[in-house]
Amino acid sequence: AQKITQTQPGMFVQEKEAVTLDCTYDTSDPSYGLFWYKQPSSGEMIFLIYQGSYDQQNATEGRYSLNFQKARKSANLVISASQLGDSAMYFCAMREADSDGGATNKLIFGTGTLLAVQP
Amino acid sequence: DTEVTQTPKHLVMGMTNKKSLKCEQHMGHRAMYWYKQKAKKPPELMFVYSYEKLSINESVPSRFSPECPNSSLLNLHLHALQPEDSALYLCASSHDPTVRFPPLHFGNGTRLTVT
Repeated sequence: AQKITQTQPGMFVQEKEAVTLDCTYDTSDPSYGLFWYKQPSSGEMIFLIYQGSYDQQNATEGRYSLNFQKARKSANLVISASQLGDSAMYFCAMREADSDGGATNKLIFGTGTLLAVQP
Repeated sequence: DTEVTQTPKHLVMGMTNKKSLKCEQHMGHRAMYWYKQKAKKPPELMFVYSYEKLSINESVPSRFSPECPNSSLLNLHLHALQPEDSALYLCASSHDPTVRFPPLHFGNGTRLTVT
């Protein structure tokens, strides 16, 4: 079963506008971590932001913020003031706890959203 | 600049060749990973090393052979590959995986073409 769902294969946004990239996840574990990565056409996977399942506040990192709605199992990425350099593939990913309570080594990725920022 | 260094950046090899991909990190991370990524697809986990021991093998064919000589280095030995193995191979590292949910830091990847 799909653990991470990104329903937007592609998105367009005007430069300087804000954009929201959707991510929903499926887990029965109360302890997990959610991540967003950016992958430009060059191929490198760039870590953007992290949200823990027990974190009380939504994570923010500069122009990136994570709209975490635990009951809905959604972890949407908001990019404010889009720049041309934001054009890239964006992946939502999840890491669950293992049976011993530690983090598993498996980072599971969604199918990604290709964001194009237009001037 | 990424703190995980992968070499080579590009590799073209025949189906009878033997080659190796290399990955190095100096962040003190004790977990290292190999991912395979086909075009327009998400990365797929292949192998995980934790404290220099292989902890996860995602049923990868034996023509891919990982090696972790020390905590900073990770190799992927390739032998008798098939054209469908052509992909971007990404190396990553992270802090102690028993510390909850550390992010993975990725290298720039090796674009492999098997002819």
